[in-house]
Amino acid sequence: GEDVEQSLFLSVREGDSSVINCTYTDSSSTYLYWYKQEPGAGLQLLTYIFSNMDMKQDQRLTVLLNKKDKHLSLRIADTQTGDSAIYFCAERGGGATNKLIFGTGTLLAVQP
Amino acid sequence: ETGVTQTPRHLVMGMTNKKSLKCEQHLGHNAMYWYKQSAKKPLELMFVYNFKEQTENNSVPSRFSPECPNSSHLFLHLHTLQPEDSALYLCASSQDGSVINQPQHFGDGTRLSIL
Repeated sequence: GEDVEQSLFLSVREGDSSVINCTYTDSSSTYLYWYKQEPGAGLQLLTYIFSNMDMKQDQRLTVLLNKKDKHLSLRIADTQTGDSAIYFCAERGGGATNKLIFGTGTLLAVQP
Repeated sequence: ETGVTQTPRHLVMGMTNKKSLKCEQHLGHNAMYWYKQSAKKPLELMFVYNFKEQTENNSVPSRFSPECPNSSHLFLHLHTLQPEDSALYLCASSQDGSVINQPQHFGDGTRLSIL
């Protein structure tokens, strides 16, 4: 079956780097996504990576993919208090539809 | 307006009431989705519509009835709900629901509380 797991909580100091980890089970996943959810809001797409890539960088965000271990990580450089939110990892599920399987989310708390 | 808009933002209803959630997207997308977000559980996909046709029903109880009159609007009709249905209901849209790597764009959700 398809399953996506994340650690529940991460606390960092402002200015440090944050690394949020995710593991998934579906080896046929073609795309993996990171979403951010701020309090009282919906999910905001941050970035995504295609399964034939090892790394993708977008400004302060770096996504690393280890397809062999089915491990995905999101690194946020120079973390700011505005980065405090819940971060969701998602994989595209199998089948013909654009179905996403989400993790339970990691709450990132940035201490000033 | 841009993006995906959901109304109402908050809804409190009794178990015998009938209400509807509305979602509207201004992105020119053709696929729309309903998700349920409960505390301490992963987001659960409920329904998928692609070009107004329902393509996925994730074993959702019949007390939830979706309606997609056109590609820009999606409704979720609610009747005889249970307390465990209290959750945040999120709507999303993407360009085409049958094409991979079509990022889904989410609304801010409707917070539903069942008394």
